[in-house]
Amino acid sequence: GIQVEQSPPDLILQEGANSTLRCNFSDSVNNLQWFHQNPWGQLINLFYIPSGTKQNGRLSATTVATERYSLLYISSSQTTDSGVYFCAVERYNQGGKLIFGQGTELSVKP
Amino acid sequence: GAVVSQHPSRVICKSGTSVKIECRSLDFQATTMFWYRQFPKQSLMLMATSNEGSKATYEQGVEKDKFLINHASLTLSTLTVTSAHPEDSSFYICSARGQVLEQYFGPGTRLTVT
Repeated sequence: GIQVEQSPPDLILQEGANSTLRCNFSDSVNNLQWFHQNPWGQLINLFYIPSGTKQNGRLSATTVATERYSLLYISSSQTTDSGVYFCAVERYNQGGKLIFGQGTELSVKP
Repeated sequence: GAVVSQHPSRVICKSGTSVKIECRSLDFQATTMFWYRQFPKQSLMLMATSNEGSKATYEQGVEKDKFLINHASLTLSTLTVTSAHPEDSSFYICSARGQVLEQYFGPGTRLTVT
């Protein structure tokens, strides 16, 4: 099956710092999503980005499908950005099944 | 954005009893719903896929007789954990997808079996 690898596994930042999270995947995909799981367990949709670049406030994401990776940028981090960030991909003709990476646990210190 | 709800958010039950978890898409029709399981400090693992009006498709290693899934309408799917045991304790999360590929997730249900 497809492999999804996220790096780094853990990240500690001072408030105000910038960061880049990476997601590598081993096969072609027709769906890639980034999520933030908050301390209560809720998965919040950040980006639906099978290819290209998107921005939403302090967050932006880029997926280079031909090279099988995606990047999530967080600028001017805030303590509320803390939590686990997941990348998930869907292969073609898999009925919508999302395969999740192991996540990046981000801790933003005041 | 699309909203998916789950009920209950937290449940404690005795070993041997059954527990039903509901997943609803509140503002869109979900042609497909998915059930995931998450253990502490781990990623999400897909348990099964359900399409409205048809039988669920279970992932390898998931006992279909223990985890009963019913997708009765375009806005409701249920997961019933039958004869629950302590090892079934986990965080169960549903997701839903309509006409577009993007999936939306419910807030999760924390099940504790004593």
